[in-house]
Amino acid sequence: SQTIHQWPATLVQPVGSPLSLECTVEGTSNPNLYWYRQAAGRGLQLLFYSVGIGQISSEVPQNLSASRPQDRQFILSSKKLLLSDSGFYLCAWSVQGAYGYTFGSGTRLTVV
Amino acid sequence: SQQGEEDPQALSIQEGENATMNCSYKTSINNLQWYRQNSGRGLVHLILIRSNEREKHSGRLRVTLDTSKKSSSLLITASRAADTASYFCATDEARDYKLSFGAGTTVTVRA
Repeated sequence: SQTIHQWPATLVQPVGSPLSLECTVEGTSNPNLYWYRQAAGRGLQLLFYSVGIGQISSEVPQNLSASRPQDRQFILSSKKLLLSDSGFYLCAWSVQGAYGYTFGSGTRLTVV
Repeated sequence: SQQGEEDPQALSIQEGENATMNCSYKTSINNLQWYRQNSGRGLVHLILIRSNEREKHSGRLRVTLDTSKKSSSLLITASRAADTASYFCATDEARDYKLSFGAGTTVTVRA
């Protein structure tokens, strides 16, 4: 069966520190992968998406970057976190977007 | 960018009642999807309706789509306490891999 793993569940990081969030998918090949951010009580903002290894599209200019070193691995990074990077980060995968997304359980990031 | 907008922002109903929420969007779409999010959790896909469909059912869920009005509605019948969650519509714009989400409707079902 297809599953998605996202970790860590919660993270508290000081301003200026680096960030690395990892997402892995099992049970499917060549998925489309997505990173979304959700501010408190708000909808989801698409940050990055990838349709293949090494192919990253950025939706919003920001302090973050993404990489896809393997087919089923998607990493969200930052060299220096800002207070405004706080939020709930969600990884998701889909097949051509036609069957709905499957979301990970999310990472609650608090930058202090 | 955010395409869908849900209405109302919040809804409180008694257990057993029906809950209806609406979604409006701006551009042409390939399909529209509804998701549920329990507090502090990831989103769960509920139902997908394609642009050439007008109504779809899944268990206690009924979704309608009116492409002429660029709107959709989600009806939850005979609500239960476990239906307490935020509900989001998301649109898959034509020939695009990306989903745009609205801000969501928070539904509270009182026992």
